[in-house]
Amino acid sequence: GDSVTQMEGPVTLSEEACLTINCTYTATGYPSLFWYVQYPGEGLQLLLKATKADDKGSNKGFEATYRKETTSFHLEKGSVQVSDSAVYFCSTGGYQKVTFGTGTKLQVIP
Amino acid sequence: GAVVSQHPSWVICKSGTSVKIECRSLDFQATTMFWYRQFPKQSLMLMATSNEGSKATYEQGVEKDKFLINHASLTLSTLTVTSAHPEDSSFYICSARPGQGALLGSPLHFGNGTRLTVT
Repeated sequence: GDSVTQMEGPVTLSEEACLTINCTYTATGYPSLFWYVQYPGEGLQLLLKATKADDKGSNKGFEATYRKETTSFHLEKGSVQVSDSAVYFCSTGGYQKVTFGTGTKLQVIP
Repeated sequence: GAVVSQHPSWVICKSGTSVKIECRSLDFQATTMFWYRQFPKQSLMLMATSNEGSKATYEQGVEKDKFLINHASLTLSTLTVTSAHPEDSSFYICSARPGQGALLGSPLHFGNGTRLTVT
């Protein structure tokens, strides 16, 4: 089955720092890839997605590019804010099953 | 659009009692819904896939008789934790995808989760 590997957290950054959260996957075929964000005490929300190789998903200043050759979907943001503090999940999406990474907690300090 | 409502958002119950958690898709139909349990270190564990009109598909290691899932309509799935014990205390999250059948490329929509505390 599919698997997703995310970098271990927590990640602590100062406001306006650059963010990269690594995500690599293994899958049969070419699944869609997603990043979800979970704010404290809430469920997950879709942050961005990409459905095919070389697609770039973007939202709220975050970006991730579907790299088939490296089977990666790293999440990046040029300048983080305190409000970005949350847990970020990388996932693959297939017909029925969705596979999540273990989540990476991001803490942004003023 | 594509809102999933989960209720209750938190519940405290005594050991030995049962608790029912509801997951509703408010503006779309979902033949399939998913139930997750989230542990303190944040990882999500898929417990089961809820299928409208048929039996749920449970993941390995999840007790079917303990975590009863019913998906009676295209907009409602329920998870009942039977004879709850303190070790069942956790954050439970449901999710669903719009459309008949899960479409490749379509994201999941999540409820806001239910914090269960068993005393």
